[in-house]
Amino acid sequence: DAGITQSPRHKVTETGTPVTLRCHQTENHRYMYWYRQDPGHGLRLIHYSYGVKDTDKGEVSDGYSVSRSKTEDFLLTLESATSSQTSVYFCAISGYENTEAFFGQGTRLTVV
Amino acid sequence: QKEVEQNSGPLSVPEGAIASLNCTYSDRVSQSFFWYRQYSGKSPELIMSIYSNGDKEDGRFTAQLNKASQYVSLLIRDSQPSDSATYLCAVITGGGNKLTFGTGTQLKVEL
Repeated sequence: DAGITQSPRHKVTETGTPVTLRCHQTENHRYMYWYRQDPGHGLRLIHYSYGVKDTDKGEVSDGYSVSRSKTEDFLLTLESATSSQTSVYFCAISGYENTEAFFGQGTRLTVV
Repeated sequence: QKEVEQNSGPLSVPEGAIASLNCTYSDRVSQSFFWYRQYSGKSPELIMSIYSNGDKEDGRFTAQLNKASQYVSLLIRDSQPSDSATYLCAVITGGGNKLTFGTGTQLKVEL
């Protein structure tokens, strides 16, 4: 398995609180991605990074921010969590342009 | 128009049959295409990648790419109950290595 660790694996939080999910990789891969997965919607891209401090928005970026201050870590922040952000979040990494990505184990987030 | 489209299924096939999964994409300049398999409650895992027009075979799996028609397919020969899963088509679109997924097709292989 690719060296990808997501933390926490499970989290329950209250509406309106900030939440940060962490994706840590030991592969020195350039590209990192955050997705959310909901029934009927497949994997939807939230944000992605193509290098340290280089990030861009995906199709469902509203309400989310990211930071990548070093190669190995990609943080996803929900500034003020809402119930609609209850989901399973996956991080993925890719080493080279136009090549496959590998996924972390996922984080199940519940906003109550 | 969605960037990557798949029929959600479920697609049911009998054991030993060929399962055919299809995917279309909208970005004509896309160069890289992938199929992932995802079991319930698990992470997606890569099963095939394809970059050139034509067929690519790996064991019981064959990926087919037709860039002119913007169409990617996955054939699974001799389907087994263990192949029952959701199959996700993914395409690298736009700049920055943006990886976009379809909604997935649920495959059920019946005994």
